[in-house]
Amino acid sequence: DAKTTQPPSMDCAEGRAANLPCNHSTISGNEYVYWYRQIHSQGPQYIIHGLKNNETNEMASLIITEDRKSSTLILPHATLRDTAVYYCIVAAGGTSYGKLTFGQGTILTVHP
Amino acid sequence: DGGITQSPKYLFRKEGQNVTLSCEQNLNHDAMYWYRQDPGQGLRLIYYSQIVNDFQKGDIAEGYSVSREKKESFPLTVTSAQKNPTAFYLCASSMAGVGETQYFGPGTRLLVL
Repeated sequence: DAKTTQPPSMDCAEGRAANLPCNHSTISGNEYVYWYRQIHSQGPQYIIHGLKNNETNEMASLIITEDRKSSTLILPHATLRDTAVYYCIVAAGGTSYGKLTFGQGTILTVHP
Repeated sequence: DGGITQSPKYLFRKEGQNVTLSCEQNLNHDAMYWYRQDPGQGLRLIYYSQIVNDFQKGDIAEGYSVSREKKESFPLTVTSAQKNPTAFYLCASSMAGVGETQYFGPGTRLLVL
């Protein structure tokens, strides 16, 4: 699986959009980008995933660059409950047998 | 409500003892996973199972054992051979063929006294 690079920490004001970047320059053609988050002392929560098109669900939007070497997770209106560690993971969809590689992620702190 | 349960939330073990962590899911998922998380670190895969009566080692299987006798249950035993067992243990499950979308339990924090 391709490696990912994320900033160790980011801050965001409550009510503003949080934009979390992820670099995955060695991504292969059959690999998807997955995002999870982990609130302190809880299990991780799946957020969203995509292959090459931009994706949106009730939690977030995922923007993937045309060359697929980087992506951005967008939380449109961050709240204090969005404070968490956000993990960007690249894996071959449906064929990785669930062997996800969680790096250290980005600690997002949302301030009042 | 469908979900994954892990018990207990906190577990204390004396050195040299084996201890078993419970993981149960009622999501009808075929695949289940065990991860270990150390403070400030990401998750590392211990064991995974794609189907009943079958499981594979993950990246850090030494000192751990698992069984998968029922679809809904995937217990993890931390043996005395695990030299540094103090950690946060997380169980997850997924549907067959979509192992990248995993649902996690609340975790068990194991402390060796």
